[in-house]
Amino acid sequence: SYELTQPPSVSVSPGQAASITCSGDKLGDKYACWYQQRPGQSPVLVIYQDTKRPSGIPERISGSNSGNTATLTISGTQAVDEADYYCQTWDSGTVVFGGGTKLTVL
Amino acid sequence: EVQLVESGGGLVQPGGSLRLSCAASGFTFSRYWMQWVRQAPGKGLVWVSRINDEGITTNYADSVKGRFTISRDNAKDTAFLLMNSLTAEDTAVYYCAREGGHGDAAVDYWGQGVLVTVSS
Repeated sequence: SYELTQPPSVSVSPGQAASITCSGDKLGDKYACWYQQRPGQSPVLVIYQDTKRPSGIPERISGSNSGNTATLTISGTQAVDEADYYCQTWDSGTVVFGGGTKLTVL
Repeated sequence: EVQLVESGGGLVQPGGSLRLSCAASGFTFSRYWMQWVRQAPGKGLVWVSRINDEGITTNYADSVKGRFTISRDNAKDTAFLLMNSLTAEDTAVYYCAREGGHGDAAVDYWGQGVLVTVSS
């Protein structure tokens, strides 16, 4: 079965850029999306179709997907961005999530 | 306003069954694929199942295939997840989720989740 791999944790200083990677075999040939989940809350879609932002998601959140890696980038990271982030794709009708990355804003 | 409200969770013994419901409102339910996603305490998101808008096409994670059944009633704007032969590994918060229709299975709306605890 298809697998997506994310780093367990990423740390960033306020105001700096944070990048979270998601790796999978030929992931660039599929669509990837990203979710943000704050403690005790339901996930929120922040990127879909590799690069698109849903309404209400700030422009400082962006996505890319090429080769075997999709990347979520948060520019000018703020304390409010501290959360768990999950990538997701789908393959042969089934949906796959990455293991999640805890973003810490130090 | 789009709303997804799950119900039917609770404590069940190993080997038991439970049926979750997801009441949808604020959108034309019959036009959207729906999913169930679960999250064990302190763990990550795990996809469980999805169903197409007409209720004809279904997909399942290997871990639940043959034990869980997803269905929907478009006349009542409700999705269901019937869970049989439950084990402790099925303990999790179960989220009902709507796919955004962008062709990438991305979920644009989530319910608040319902807790299922499998324990004797």
